[in-house]
Amino acid sequence: GQQVMQIPQYQHVQEGEDFTTYCNSSTTLSNIQWYKQRPGGHPVFLIQLVKSGEVKKQKRLTFQFGEAKKNSSLHITATQTTDVGTYFCAGPRGGADGLTFGKGTHLIIQP
Amino acid sequence: NAGVMQNPRHLVRRRGQEARLRCSPMKGHSHVYWYRQLPEEGLKFMVYLQKENIIDESGMPKERFSAEFPKEGPSILRIQQVVRGDSAAYFCASSPTTGTYGYTFGSGTRLTVV
Repeated sequence: GQQVMQIPQYQHVQEGEDFTTYCNSSTTLSNIQWYKQRPGGHPVFLIQLVKSGEVKKQKRLTFQFGEAKKNSSLHITATQTTDVGTYFCAGPRGGADGLTFGKGTHLIIQP
Repeated sequence: NAGVMQNPRHLVRRRGQEARLRCSPMKGHSHVYWYRQLPEEGLKFMVYLQKENIIDESGMPKERFSAEFPKEGPSILRIQQVVRGDSAAYFCASSPTTGTYGYTFGSGTRLTVV
């Protein structure tokens, strides 16, 4: 079945350093979504990428969708303590409604 | 707009009891999705419902779990005879139509089975 994998599982950074998480799908995706979940919170939708090679920016966050539409990345420039949380990528379930989520990357920031 | 409302926020059940989790979708949304999140894991699809219909329950265990979305009232995820392995966070999301959109999730129900 379809698998969505994320690396790394955990990332410790000093405040002000950059952070990148990578997402890989076993199948080609029509689109990919990114969510952020704060500790004890619920997933919050960040963005959806649709086009091959697409790059989108939200302030310090840069999202990319690979040319083959099987991988994606999220890069955060100059992390802040408010960036703490788990970042999930998700793709459509093959041939069905709903999403398949990766296991997420936990971002831990040391002041 | 009140968003997706889930209750209770926390639920503690003894092994063998029943758990009922409720989800009220956003106003105007007739599609509901339930996901389960185990500690340190991503979200796993359980079931997709429209008003009065179960569209896809392929992610739901065959036994003890059931879901409904009646014409009136919230969607209910019901777990009978809970076991320790059912301890997890259960999230629902709603959408106005089919297809893949950015989901708005509720705050979730954290189920603890003791």
